[in-house]
Amino acid sequence: GEDVEQSLFLSVREGDSSVINCTYTDSSSTYLYWYKQEPGAGLQLLTYIFSNMDMKQDQRLTVLLNKKDKHLSLRIADTQTGDSAIYFCAESNQAGTALIFGKGTTLSVSS
Amino acid sequence: NAGVTQTPKFQVLKTGQSMTLQCAQDMNHEYMSWYRQDPGMGLRLIHYSVGAGITDQGEVPNGYNVSRSTTEDFPLRLLSAAPSQTSVYFCASSYSQGSQPQHFGDGTRLSIL
Repeated sequence: GEDVEQSLFLSVREGDSSVINCTYTDSSSTYLYWYKQEPGAGLQLLTYIFSNMDMKQDQRLTVLLNKKDKHLSLRIADTQTGDSAIYFCAESNQAGTALIFGKGTTLSVSS
Repeated sequence: NAGVTQTPKFQVLKTGQSMTLQCAQDMNHEYMSWYRQDPGMGLRLIHYSVGAGITDQGEVPNGYNVSRSTTEDFPLRLLSAAPSQTSVYFCASSYSQGSQPQHFGDGTRLSIL
């Protein structure tokens, strides 16, 4: 079945770049997603990338997709303390009826 | 425009009790779903609905029932609560199946003693 894996923790200093990595198994996924969850809140869609793209940039966020290796990464430039949260990588299942989430990467930003 | 509203925000139940988690959206979205979030497990799909009167099972449906009598509401029922159902439950909606963005509620934190 589909599976999404990501590292569990990342700690960076304010102003540095953060890179969160993810691997997925379903090569038929049309879109791949990054969600952000702040403490006590629901999930917020940060960005997504279409499977025929290699890169997508959106202000401080850069998504890189290596479809051959089934590897997705999210780079946050100039990381701020407000970026501290859990970041989830997700892909659609084959039927398009559900998102398959990774376990989440907790990003801790120190000043 | 409130988005996706979940009630209650917190609940404590005893084993064997039943309850209904409420989810309502005011965006006229056809697709709605329920996920549970457990530590170290990410989010897993419980049930989903592609429109009023249509529901289907997700990855972890056992012990839960859903119905979709209106477009706006998608309640999740626990029939006989078990400690293994202690979790944070999220409801999500989107315009249609597979469309983005999915809008998530703020979650219901449920503890079963």
